[in-house]
Amino acid sequence: DVVMTQTPLSSPVTLGQPASISCRSSQSLVHSDGDTYFNWLQQRPGQPPRLLIYKISNRFSGVPDRFSGSGAGTDFTLKISRVEAEDVGVYYCIQSSHFPWTFGKGTKVEIK
Amino acid sequence: EVQVVESGGGLVQPGRSLRLSCTASGFTFGDFAMSWFRQAPGKGLEWVGFIRGKRYGGTTEYAASVKGRFTISRDDSRTIAYLQMNSLKTEDTAVYYCSRFGGSPDYWGQGTLVTVSS
Repeated sequence: DVVMTQTPLSSPVTLGQPASISCRSSQSLVHSDGDTYFNWLQQRPGQPPRLLIYKISNRFSGVPDRFSGSGAGTDFTLKISRVEAEDVGVYYCIQSSHFPWTFGKGTKVEIK
Repeated sequence: EVQVVESGGGLVQPGRSLRLSCTASGFTFGDFAMSWFRQAPGKGLEWVGFIRGKRYGGTTEYAASVKGRFTISRDDSRTIAYLQMNSLKTEDTAVYYCSRFGGSPDYWGQGTLVTVSS
């Protein structure tokens, strides 16, 4: 199985300041069709998960442009350019290139 | 508007069965794969399984932790995906989510809680 190592597990940030989360996979996430099915999800407290970023760097519908994704192969990053109060929650990376799909352990973003 | 709504959760004894439903609307259901995930209380997310759309034969994939006990099916005429859970264990206690899969798990439901306890 592909192991997804997400860091940090906790990220206290000041409102208006940037935040960055990393996710490393134990093997390449390039699918046989040539795409890389690496995604970022946000889970606000008491809410279901929500897709933020798909295929490394594509913002999903309705996602603010302060969220951006980057990376390739086995190393990926989610950046929030200026954290807002509504960004508090847990962020998960998930790969859907190889079965079984696997998640990172999650990064809790909270306001200092 | 795309929507997926889970239902069917509840309290069930170990060893018993339960069937969850995921009712979809706002898109051509048969054209999309669907997936199930779960989240144990206070824990992270876990993928449970996946069913392809009719174009790809409606075939399924499962996590090792549920393979042989859980079965995913779909009724395209009713736009519902099912998760049949047999031989339930206490460690299956979780909120179960379904999502549409359009290359990524894009639209998620609110989840339904399954509690396995005697």
